[in-house]
Amino acid sequence: AQSVTQPDIHITVSEGASLELRCNYSYGATPYLFWYVQSPGQGLQLLLKYFSGDTLVQGIKGFEAEFKRSQSSFNLRKPSVHWSDAAEYFCAVGAPGAGSYQLTFGKGTKLSVIP
Amino acid sequence: DAGVTQSPTHLIKTRGQHVTLRCSPISGHKSVSWYQQVLGQGPQFIFQYYEKEERGRGNFPDRFSARQFPNYSSELNVNALLLGDSALYLCASSLNFDRGGELFFGEGSRLTVL
Repeated sequence: AQSVTQPDIHITVSEGASLELRCNYSYGATPYLFWYVQSPGQGLQLLLKYFSGDTLVQGIKGFEAEFKRSQSSFNLRKPSVHWSDAAEYFCAVGAPGAGSYQLTFGKGTKLSVIP
Repeated sequence: DAGVTQSPTHLIKTRGQHVTLRCSPISGHKSVSWYQQVLGQGPQFIFQYYEKEERGRGNFPDRFSARQFPNYSSELNVNALLLGDSALYLCASSLNFDRGGELFFGEGSRLTVL
């Protein structure tokens, strides 16, 4: 079974500073990897996804993530954070096959931005 | 095009009652999945339906059930509500059921059990 670990429960950065949110996964094969963002009281919005190919993927809102197979990691980065990026971020792994498809999510990292 | 829509957005129930949550997928999407998100946690998989058949089930008790209709919309039912069922229930739709890909989530139904 797959699993996801987001080691940081809460991160605070200043507006304009760079950001890196960590994600480690456990899965036997090459997984499908996702980062979602959730604003308070809202559903999940997809930031970016990795299925195969180039290990550096670009997403919406200036986010990017790098898949590192050797480290089982899929860290999310942004070079300059905006106050509107304050939200909760979830990393997820998807494992197709076996007759169904489901995502396994980490517990999330809450991002606070200091003006 | 409309995204995934869920209803109701908020509801309050008491212990022992029953609740029905509804979801309409994105047009053309045939797979609907349900997730439970307890406060402070990531979403947890409950069910996946495709072409009206259950294709996957998470580690939830039999009090949880779901179905999918011919128009691909779906209902999640929870019987004998417990305080611990208080959560945001998210519906997600996707084009297929098995080959992976992106899930598109609705904004959820927030259930409070008193």
